[in-house]
Amino acid sequence: DTAVSQTPKYLVTQMGNDKSIKCEQNLGHDTMYWYKQDSKKFLKIMFSYNNKELIINETVPNRFSPKSPDKAHLNLHINSLELGDSAVYFCASSRIQGTGELFFGEGSRLTVL
Amino acid sequence: AQKVTQAQTEISVVEKEDVTLDCVYETRDTTYYLFWYKQPPSGELVFLIRRNSFDEQNEISGRYSWNFQKSTSSFNFTITASQVVDSAVYFCALKNQAGTALIFGKGTTLSVSS
Repeated sequence: DTAVSQTPKYLVTQMGNDKSIKCEQNLGHDTMYWYKQDSKKFLKIMFSYNNKELIINETVPNRFSPKSPDKAHLNLHINSLELGDSAVYFCASSRIQGTGELFFGEGSRLTVL
Repeated sequence: AQKVTQAQTEISVVEKEDVTLDCVYETRDTTYYLFWYKQPPSGELVFLIRRNSFDEQNEISGRYSWNFQKSTSSFNFTITASQVVDSAVYFCALKNQAGTALIFGKGTTLSVSS
């Protein structure tokens, strides 16, 4: 069983479209995250949710909207896609009371044409 | 503010060489956690080690070893007798006790040739 799973793994779309990436974890963790990895491999936190509540919201365009229907799921919806949104998006989870080890999904590579 | 600096962008070595990846961090917190992750060419992020700020003991795991020095705010990673399979991007990361997200350095790309 995959601990943190993301779908789709690859996504190619046109500018202006709206797309979603789904994430699920079966580790029983309380906290989930979205990270963006750009073409230079830089990993940057976008959002963090704890038990369905948003606790970290970095400077991200409001075209990006995370949604957490329950603590095992954290989806990322992106409106009006732009070329600069092309990146690999990683979902991760951790125990809120833990010392921070994050378990990452395999990543979703988004290409905007 | 928290910050992680990995000054080495790329390192190339030949198999069996030892290599050290540098990591320097900044934080005002007295309690914090340091991590190393590996990202092989396949793209996944693999957890390697976690160290808390109160534990300055160096750690060895097989060919991997870590040197944590609070005096210089460094958490360096050494691979002994490198192998081609060690080729990857290695990330150092920092987390404070209050925050919940890891702050990553920009990564060091290690290429090991045969």
